[in-house]
Amino acid sequence: SYELTQPLSVSVALGQTARITCGGNNIGSRNVHWYQQKPGQAPVSVIYRDSNRPSGIPDRFSGSNSGNTATLTISRAQAGDEADYYCQVWDGNTVFGGGTKLTVL
Amino acid sequence: EVQLVESGGDLVQPGGSLRLSCAASGFTFGSYSMNWVRQAPGKGLEWISYISSSGNSIYYADSVRGRFTISRDNGENSLYLQMNSLRAEDTGVYYCARDKGSWYCDYWGQGTLVTVSS
Repeated sequence: SYELTQPLSVSVALGQTARITCGGNNIGSRNVHWYQQKPGQAPVSVIYRDSNRPSGIPDRFSGSNSGNTATLTISRAQAGDEADYYCQVWDGNTVFGGGTKLTVL
Repeated sequence: EVQLVESGGDLVQPGGSLRLSCAASGFTFGSYSMNWVRQAPGKGLEWISYISSSGNSIYYADSVRGRFTISRDNGENSLYLQMNSLRAEDTGVYYCARDKGSWYCDYWGQGTLVTVSS
């Protein structure tokens, strides 16, 4: 089965840029979606189909996907961006990455 | 406004059954595929089932195939998950999520908690 690999944690200084990676075999050939989940809340979509932002998501959130790595980039990180982030693809079934905890210092 | 409201979560003994519901509003329910996704306590997201808009295409994760059954009633704007032969590892919050295409979940409910324990 297809596996997605995310770092367990990423830290970023307030106002700086955070990059969260999602690794998978030739993931660049797949549509990658990203979700943000804050404690006690349901997931929220922040990027879909590699690089598209849903309405209401700030343009500080961006995505890219090439080769074996997809990346969620959060510019000008804010305290409110602290959350778990999950990447997701479809491989016959829906597959989620293990999640990355983002800490804003 | 799109709303998805799950219900039916409860404490159940191992081997027992439970039926979850997801009430949809704010969109044409019958035009969208739907998913169930769960999250064990302190763990990540796990997709468990998908149903197409008509109900003709259904998929399950290996972990629940043969025990869980997804269904929908487009007339009632509702999605269901019948869970049988429940195990301790089925414990978690169960979310329903709308599928916008490309297997992308654009809206999620708030979840319902299922606890399997004796």
